[in-house]
Amino acid sequence: DGGITQSPKYLFRKEGQNVTLSCEQNLNHDAMYWYRQDPGQGLRLIYYSQIVNDFQKGDIAEGYSVSREKKESFPLTVTSAQKNPTAFYLCATRSGFYNSPLHFGNGTRLTVT
Amino acid sequence: AQKITQTQPGMFVQEKEAVTLDCTYDTSDQSYGLFWYKQPSSGEMIFLIYQGSYDEQNATEGRYSLNFQKARKSANLVISASQLGDSAMYFCASSKGSSNTGKLIFGQGTTLQVKP
Repeated sequence: DGGITQSPKYLFRKEGQNVTLSCEQNLNHDAMYWYRQDPGQGLRLIYYSQIVNDFQKGDIAEGYSVSREKKESFPLTVTSAQKNPTAFYLCATRSGFYNSPLHFGNGTRLTVT
Repeated sequence: AQKITQTQPGMFVQEKEAVTLDCTYDTSDQSYGLFWYKQPSSGEMIFLIYQGSYDEQNATEGRYSLNFQKARKSANLVISASQLGDSAMYFCASSKGSSNTGKLIFGQGTTLQVKP
């Protein structure tokens, strides 16, 4: 099946620990994105990558880090520096065509206590 | 800064009726795209429909149509013949400028409940 896989669906961590969220795709899309969603809110862009070995900060990158070593994978690390990490995290991909839509994974719900 | 406004936090519609979800956008760019996404309670974001700023015709996809009024900077989603499965949160989004980065700005969303 072609698609975007985010794992795990639910993740629990203690405050002060780094945690890495996985995002894998087999759509052969060049671009990948990480968005954060807080309850009752819209999505905000954390990081994005348009090509392997390159990525850019989005609107709320502080406290997060990413890597893009393979086309298929774009893991997001939520560091202990992120002040309010509890949220729903969505990974997306996109083909390179102008204004082509984002395709989203099913999301990871992170709870930090 | 670019902004998307969805003024209806929640909407109700009777099954089989049509419903309009409002979206206004604020951009100084000449070239941009407008998108609508559906988010069921399970959490995934489902792409529904796209309108380009230079498209003269309103976009349609099955029961979804986009009422695009460029001068008023509005891009309302119309769902015809509502079904129970349409109950979800709906987000309007726009691309940022003419660069092809794919970055989207999202509105706060509208929760739609379809009544049987």
